[in-house]
Amino acid sequence: QVHLVQSGAEVKKPGASVKVSCKASGYTSTAYYMHWVRQAPGQGLEWMGWIKGDSGATSYSQKFQGRVTMTRDTSISTAYVELNRLTSDDTAVYYCATENKPKALEIWGQGAMVTVSS
Amino acid sequence: QSALTQPASVSGSPGQSITISCTGTRSDVGGYNYVSWYQQYPGKAPKLMIFEVSNRPSGVSNRFSGSKSGNTASLTISGLQAEDEADYYCNSYTSSSTRYVFGTGTKVTVL
Repeated sequence: QVHLVQSGAEVKKPGASVKVSCKASGYTSTAYYMHWVRQAPGQGLEWMGWIKGDSGATSYSQKFQGRVTMTRDTSISTAYVELNRLTSDDTAVYYCATENKPKALEIWGQGAMVTVSS
Repeated sequence: QSALTQPASVSGSPGQSITISCTGTRSDVGGYNYVSWYQQYPGKAPKLMIFEVSNRPSGVSNRFSGSKSGNTASLTISGLQAEDEADYYCNSYTSSSTRYVFGTGTKVTVL
């Protein structure tokens, strides 16, 4: 049974960076796509990008190009998303999710709240 | 890339059927059979309900069904139950640099 556990809530100041982790368990292979999706308070879901577990290849939404970095550490089955130059608009719950079905996100982490405030 | 268009809210009585629409363009919904639907309760992570337009993951009730016509996808919930009250989001693969786009979300209310 695949399970994703994310890091805890973060509070950051404008201009800072945040790095959220997502540890996967139950996988027998690293050949999966780990997606990142965020949701601002009271708002809808927003796709940020994905990282391929085996190769480390990435694909980012144009909106976050230049400001986001997705990485993974296969030795500990953990994926990361780092977002730089934070503003209050980045206040959101950040979810990791794996593409266990074609182009669909079947397994989700519990979410990590990131608050950007001065 | 703009979000796919969904109605803000849909309601129905227990036992009825409701349909949620998801309208995009030929660059996303109309161009690919990669439409998925997610159910989300307040404060919880989304749950995959439908993938590839009309396929249900194991464990999802057969009261949920999906379809697509042109640039519009639809999620139908039949035999509406109180537990179906939640937010629902569609998602599509897209040829734009965004790669994936979500819908605006629909709040389903069971009267």
